Amino acid sequence: QKEVEQNSGPLSVPEGAIASLNCTYSDRGSQSFFWYRQYSGKSPELIMSIYSNGDKEDGRFTAQLNKASQYVSLLIRDSQPSDSATYLCAVKGDFGNEKLTFGTGTRLTIIP
Amino acid sequence: EAQVTQNPRYLITVTGKKLTVTCSQNMNHEYMSWYRQDPGLGLRQIYYSMNVEVTDKGDVPEGYKVSRKEKRNFPLILESPSPNQTSLYFCASSLGGVGTDTQYFGPGTRLTVL
Repeated sequence: QKEVEQNSGPLSVPEGAIASLNCTYSDRGSQSFFWYRQYSGKSPELIMSIYSNGDKEDGRFTAQLNKASQYVSLLIRDSQPSDSATYLCAVKGDFGNEKLTFGTGTRLTIIP
Repeated sequence: EAQVTQNPRYLITVTGKKLTVTCSQNMNHEYMSWYRQDPGLGLRQIYYSMNVEVTDKGDVPEGYKVSRKEKRNFPLILESPSPNQTSLYFCASSLGGVGTDTQYFGPGTRLTVL
């Protein structure tokens, strides 16, 4: 069983619509959750971090965390062509365990 | 500017020829890590270091070595590269601890082993 699972996509969303990306994780002790954006051939770039249950909003991005169900999601509102990228979900374990485990990523394409 | 640097950015080599990929960060971060990224497999951790002289294996350490003699540097060593080590490699660093654990990635090193 993969520790962090994401739908690989590709996910196609019309420009201006909401893109919804999902991630599930297996380690119930996980404390920190991240969404990274990665353009082709480039390094991952952090766009959201979330540590407690509920929603966290930053501009057009909203991260949602549900520890009981062990899932994390990312919503991108008013999607733009520049949002076309691969989105990586990453999870960190218990306090003191710095290891970051990544999902395989969801490829998102915004259609103009 | 706060950053993680890697060198070289691109490298083509032959089987068995020892190589080192350097990684350096200027943020005084405690935690550093190496990942490889392969299509369909995502980012997988090779080795990590919690501090100077403290290193440990990640998920795919076979065929790699690391050292952490200074806080800012964390080189990745391939003693005898093989074609299955052809990949995109990323170095990352973070301060560590919940709430300050954002990992910053270097620009990547694309390695081809013939």
